[in-house]
Amino acid sequence: GQQVMQIPQYQHVQEGEDFTTYCNSSTTLSNIQWYKQRPGGHPVFLIQLVKSGEVKKQKRLTFQFGEAKKNSSLHITATQTTDVGTYFCEGGSNYKLTFGKGTLLTVNP
Amino acid sequence: NAGVTQTPKFQVLKTGQSMTLQCAQDMNHNSMYWYRQDPGMGLRLIYYSASEGTTDKGEVPNGYNVSRLNKREFSLRLESAAPSQTSVYFCASRGRTDTQYFGPGTRLTVL
Repeated sequence: GQQVMQIPQYQHVQEGEDFTTYCNSSTTLSNIQWYKQRPGGHPVFLIQLVKSGEVKKQKRLTFQFGEAKKNSSLHITATQTTDVGTYFCEGGSNYKLTFGKGTLLTVNP
Repeated sequence: NAGVTQTPKFQVLKTGQSMTLQCAQDMNHNSMYWYRQDPGMGLRLIYYSASEGTTDKGEVPNGYNVSRLNKREFSLRLESAAPSQTSVYFCASRGRTDTQYFGPGTRLTVL
């Protein structure tokens, strides 16, 4: 079955450093969604990528979808303490959606 | 427009007790989901409902039952709670664009 692997599981950075999390799928995806979950909160939708090679930006966040539509990345430039939380990807393929296990980001001020 | 609402927010049960977690969405979405979240395990799908009147098992359905009461409401029932069911439970709904909207969660402890 479809699997979505997300790495790293944990990342601790100093405030101001960059951060990247990666998702890799065993199958070609139709789309990929990214979510953020603050500590004690619920996952909140950030963005959806649909096209091969697509790149989208939201302020300091850059999202990429691979050319083969089997991998994606979320990059945060110059992290801030407000970026703390768990970032999840969710891949869609053949009407099936699969979550990665998430990357927990902690930021040292 | 409240999005996805869940009740209760917190619950403590004794082993063997039963309870129902309620979920409602006001976005006219067809698909609704129940997940549980445990430390280091990510989000695991318990049951989902692709449309009113249908339900299907997810990754971890044992010990749970669901009811899709109407298009808005999707409930999760624990018939005989066990300590292994201590978790945070999230309900979500999904529209045609595959974006999921999550409720605030129910934090359940089974003693």
